[in-house]
Amino acid sequence: LAKTTQPISMDSYEGQEVNITCSHNNIATNDYITWYQQFPSQGPRFIIQGYKTKVTNEVASLFIPADRKSSTLSLPRVSLSDTAVYYCLVGARYNNNDMRFGAGTRLTVKP
Amino acid sequence: EAGVVQSPRYKIIEKKQPVAFWCNPISGHNTLYWYLQNLGQGPELLIRYENEEAVDDSQLPKDRFSAERLKGVDSTLKIQPAELGDSAVYLCASSLGAGDNEQFFGPGTRLTVL
Repeated sequence: LAKTTQPISMDSYEGQEVNITCSHNNIATNDYITWYQQFPSQGPRFIIQGYKTKVTNEVASLFIPADRKSSTLSLPRVSLSDTAVYYCLVGARYNNNDMRFGAGTRLTVKP
Repeated sequence: EAGVVQSPRYKIIEKKQPVAFWCNPISGHNTLYWYLQNLGQGPELLIRYENEEAVDDSQLPKDRFSAERLKGVDSTLKIQPAELGDSAVYLCASSLGAGDNEQFFGPGTRLTVL
């Protein structure tokens, strides 16, 4: 199982762009990178998934360098409601058994 | 479309008592997961079902925990007897199938064992 390392916490201010980096040095060829968001008293919610280069959706962008040993979740112009825990997971796309949640990154957005 | 439904949302029991949690996944989702989440930690997988079959229960403490998914839809997770260390949030999630990495989570059941 590919292990991931993320910062424990980050602070930001409303309107700023936030970048959360995840390290996964032993990522396998078949592994995808998936990010989840979790608000207090709720279950995690899927944000974005990618394999290489860049993926963008209405919520976030995911940047993956050529060596794929790290990835960066980018949240544009955050608001107070983006305060949450963000999890980076790595695993084979068609095998959820590989994917494990770490402790995540606690993002606090301040006014 | 209704999401994953869990009940109860909160449960307080005394140690050594039994407790059960219920989960109704999203309609059409074949894969169902039970997770345990301790305060400040990420979810830890307890068991994963593909339809009625438990395909990954390696992290389920089988001496006191049991689960079932009759008819491949709803699922129940049981603890008997509960211990103080079982206090946590129990999350249920579902996905279309094993080939779908997007898991949809319910709100969880917060268990407090006194």
